[in-house]
Amino acid sequence: GAVVSQHPSRVICKSGTSVKIECRSLDFQATTMFWYRQFPKQSLMLMATSNEGSKATYEQGVEKDKFLINHASLTLSTLTVTSAHPEDSSFYICSAGRVTYEQYFGPGTRLTVT
Amino acid sequence: EDQVTQSPEALRLQEGESSSLNCSYTVSGLRGLFWYRQDPGKGPEFLFTLYSAGEEKEKERLKATLTKKESFLHITAPKPEDSATYLCAVPSIIQGAQKLVFGQGTRLTINP
Repeated sequence: GAVVSQHPSRVICKSGTSVKIECRSLDFQATTMFWYRQFPKQSLMLMATSNEGSKATYEQGVEKDKFLINHASLTLSTLTVTSAHPEDSSFYICSAGRVTYEQYFGPGTRLTVT
Repeated sequence: EDQVTQSPEALRLQEGESSSLNCSYTVSGLRGLFWYRQDPGKGPEFLFTLYSAGEEKEKERLKATLTKKESFLHITAPKPEDSATYLCAVPSIIQGAQKLVFGQGTRLTINP
């Protein structure tokens, strides 16, 4: 299967600071990359979809000025949580998509905002 | 609207006790059905893709099958390490954008 990495795996930050999460597709060039958020014992919630070189498409209710997504290449996407607050604490997961619609997920990033 | 429903929500089995998980779907056009395994605190791990009714895929103790309305994930003689949440999903095109529609998952626990 395809390999997707995420960095960092865990991050603790203070309220008001910004945090950047990197997502890399290690063995294939992803046509599209996706960012999800997952609350305990709940299913994945899609936050945004990004294509290389173009602006991300955000799901309804997701603040694009708070969750900045950059998709600089076919193998790298970043999510920056700006001015983080405790309610942004969550498990963030990225995925890389193939033309066959399959998505391969990263290991996730646990964000804790204190 | 494309929909995916998984059952049961949770399943407890004894080690070696075989069973099946169900994934019912309604889609406007099937572009594949995906099974994932998710362990606590980790991202989903890709297991299988099925594209057409009658197709079967196997991996170790897992076998996935597909009909026109549902998919089954059969677990044969499971071991405690098979404990995880199993998710199924179908790709959907919504307002020109590609997305995965997930079921709620089945939380599987295998007791030794």
